[in-house]
Amino acid sequence: GAGVSQSPSNKVTEKGKDVELRCDPISGHTALYWYRQSLGQGLEFLIYFQGNSAPDKSGLPSDRFSAERTGGSVSTLTIQRTQQEDSAVYLCASSPTSTYNEQFFGPGTRLTVL
Amino acid sequence: GQQLNQSPQSMFIQEGEDVSMNCTSSSIFNTWLWYKQEPGEGPVLLIALYKAGELTSNGRLTAQFGITRKDSFLNISASIPSDVGIYFCAGGGDDKIIFGKGTRLHILP
Repeated sequence: GAGVSQSPSNKVTEKGKDVELRCDPISGHTALYWYRQSLGQGLEFLIYFQGNSAPDKSGLPSDRFSAERTGGSVSTLTIQRTQQEDSAVYLCASSPTSTYNEQFFGPGTRLTVL
Repeated sequence: GQQLNQSPQSMFIQEGEDVSMNCTSSSIFNTWLWYKQEPGEGPVLLIALYKAGELTSNGRLTAQFGITRKDSFLNISASIPSDVGIYFCAGGGDDKIIFGKGTRLHILP
């Protein structure tokens, strides 16, 4: 079956521009997570959705970052006024339930801010 | 906040050797997970552990949930070239999962 998909796979943008990253979770998965992975680093939690609501936004690094999820499915992570330090791989994961176990990851979007 | 210490940071081993890596924390976790990430891909779940003391195998991989609930190890026996990648541990608490910084496994021919 289809796994988690993310688009675009690569995004190069200029400093100051806004970007939107998309995640399509596995069908039927109610929980969706966004992580950021900088070069050579572990996974930094950004935000978690249960259905369309986000009970945990604690990981968003600044108010330039926002995310939404519609129809309990697709999610969009938006970064406004991008900075060079935003360059990283942004990973999305989904899970069948609201627990934090057994997350299934997408391939990620590699964001480069020039 | 909660943090995981994963070691070693990287390993260079000969094909056929056994591998051992571990994660420790000052915090108690309810779940321990081990993931593998290959270049250009997202992490893939290898083993999930749900009970203190639990020892679980998946082929050549074996992982254990420490009895104190503050640590876990992953062993890989008889390594092969496709084992190359970054291995992440993750501890699951009541409200979120915390990931270690990963162990990069390199296999020498």
